Amino acid sequence: NAGVTQTPKFQVLKTGQSMTLQCAQDMNHNSMYWYRQDPGMGLRLIYYSASEGTTDKGEVPNGYNVSRLNKREFSLRLESAAPSQTSVYFCASSENAAYTQYFGPGTRLTVL
Amino acid sequence: EDKVVQSPLSLVVHEGDTVTLNCSYEVTNFRSLLWYKQEKKAPTFLFMLTSSGIEKKSGRLSSILDKKELFSILNITATQTGDSAIYLCAVDPSGNTGKLIFGQGTTLQVKP
Repeated sequence: NAGVTQTPKFQVLKTGQSMTLQCAQDMNHNSMYWYRQDPGMGLRLIYYSASEGTTDKGEVPNGYNVSRLNKREFSLRLESAAPSQTSVYFCASSENAAYTQYFGPGTRLTVL
Repeated sequence: EDKVVQSPLSLVVHEGDTVTLNCSYEVTNFRSLLWYKQEKKAPTFLFMLTSSGIEKKSGRLSSILDKKELFSILNITATQTGDSAIYLCAVDPSGNTGKLIFGQGTTLQVKP
């Protein structure tokens, strides 16, 4: 039982490049989330998926898109990376929206 | 605008000391408040406090919620070097979306 897994662990991009961050959970959770963490700012919600087939914007969605591929997988795409998107990205999941969220190990992204 | 504020932002203590971390919040609705511990990677869940559960304890860690004054505290007694981490407070303002609002975090360093 791996919990929440994320790939890649580290990534360096040049401005304007695109990439997709992958997240998968094996806990049969319905809800999944993407956060970013910047120094001194805690975690901020980018997008979430309350259940399979639904997605919605969080606090900081600009510059990102998401896909809830199936119940297990929730991906985050940067279409044209910018230096302001340099951050650590965490994926999380919960049984349902009202339940405790469990986090993956994070992806450290640097945009040059 | 909903917000969560933690204090202090950083704290250095010695092993055996007792520490109190603070979390105040202003949200239009309130369902629950959560505490997470973040060491090198993913935040790990500590406590959830709700209207029906305003005090929680686990070993040397305890937390209370004051819904009237809109704050929570996390107490750690007899601190150990393994308690060194970032402690995150989050509020769930809705209960049906999972859109947590996080504070900035408190960085605790416990010296031998």
